[in-house]
Amino acid sequence: GQQVQQSPASLVLQEGENAELQCNFSSTATRLQWFYQHPGGRLVSLFYNPSGTKHTGRLTSTTVTNERRSSLHISSSQTTDSGTYFCAISVSNTNKVVFGTGTRLQVLP
Amino acid sequence: VTLLEQNPRWRLVPRGQAVNLRCILKNSQYPWMSWYQQDLQKQLQWLFTLRSPGDKEVKSLPGADYLATRVTDTELRLQVANMSQGRTLYCTCSGQGYSGNTLYFGEGSRLIVV
Repeated sequence: GQQVQQSPASLVLQEGENAELQCNFSSTATRLQWFYQHPGGRLVSLFYNPSGTKHTGRLTSTTVTNERRSSLHISSSQTTDSGTYFCAISVSNTNKVVFGTGTRLQVLP
Repeated sequence: VTLLEQNPRWRLVPRGQAVNLRCILKNSQYPWMSWYQQDLQKQLQWLFTLRSPGDKEVKSLPGADYLATRVTDTELRLQVANMSQGRTLYCTCSGQGYSGNTLYFGEGSRLIVV
């Protein structure tokens, strides 16, 4: 079945440092999305990005579909960026969504 | 703006007892409603997507049995039975199926086995 691998599994930064999170997936037929989970549990969508590059604030997502990879870049990290970041892909012709195992980010003051 | 309202937000579930969860859609622009589980290791897994009132599905996974029902255009329910390990159930919504659409999550219902 579809597989989604994320790296690193965890990351610790000092405030102000940049972060690069990676997502690799097993199929080119993807509709990729990045999510952020607050430490308290709430999940929010960061990007719907099936291909190309998208920016919002300090976040940049780049998906290269034919290479089966996506990245999430966080610039000038802040303590409020701490939490878990998930990428997820859809399975073609279904409503099934497969999530990666997540990258747990901790930003220290 | 809150698109989904889940209840209960958490529940202590005696081993062997079933629990019923409810999700209310606040915006009809996102009619595709789904359930996801997140286990104690934080792994997220899709369970069901139900679009139309009357749709029902069942599924058995390690640690729990599920029955999902789309009750109305705005209400989705989930019965969780035979749960052996705690988990959090999230309701989601999106427009026109997942293809080409952002997925929005509810606040989650955290179930703790006692």
